[in-house]
Amino acid sequence: DTAVSQTPKYLVTQMGNDKSIKCEQNLGHDTMYWYKQDSKKFLKIMFSYNNKELIINETVPNRFSPKSPDKAHLNLHINSLELGDSAVYFCASSQEGAGWVTEAFFGQGTRLTVV
Amino acid sequence: KNQVEQSPQSLIILEGKNCTLQCNYTVSPFSNLRWYKQDTGRGPVSLTIMTFSENTKSNGRYTATLDADTKQSSLHITASQLSDSASYICVVPGTNAGKSTFGDGTTLTVKP
Repeated sequence: DTAVSQTPKYLVTQMGNDKSIKCEQNLGHDTMYWYKQDSKKFLKIMFSYNNKELIINETVPNRFSPKSPDKAHLNLHINSLELGDSAVYFCASSQEGAGWVTEAFFGQGTRLTVV
Repeated sequence: KNQVEQSPQSLIILEGKNCTLQCNYTVSPFSNLRWYKQDTGRGPVSLTIMTFSENTKSNGRYTATLDADTKQSSLHITASQLSDSASYICVVPGTNAGKSTFGDGTTLTVKP
């Protein structure tokens, strides 16, 4: 039973298109994240989101937007895709308390290729 | 600025050998540090957590150390196996879910 699942696993699309990646977690966690891993395998946080707060990494273009229909889902919508958006995108979740955060559980990743 | 620096960037060793990965951090305030293992094509998975008061913790062939005074952590792998080939990422969580600081990782390749 997959804890954090994201779809699709592979996504190939043309420049200028709009696409979404879906993420669901069944761990009951309050906080979900989106990460981008580039070709050098550097993992960078893009967003964290819980019921109360959306935290955005200031380097993320506003073409990227998280959408959360409920606590168990955090989808990533990307407008006007560019070649530089090609990367692997990971969804993750964790539980947050007062001054602490549990380990993050990651999905399998979505490899986005913009052509 | 909070930073986490890992070394070496990449490492190649022969099967059966030991190796040590380093993580230096300047994150403040500090409460704990996690090591994640990321196999190729998979998401990272937590190996161990080191809290402020812990110096050494073992998880099978993996032993993590923490020196909170010098702000350094290491991950020692004993008797390496081919399945240890992966990226190892050091992460220092912030007090807020969105404030974790990630190292750039060490890519370990174990050759037969």
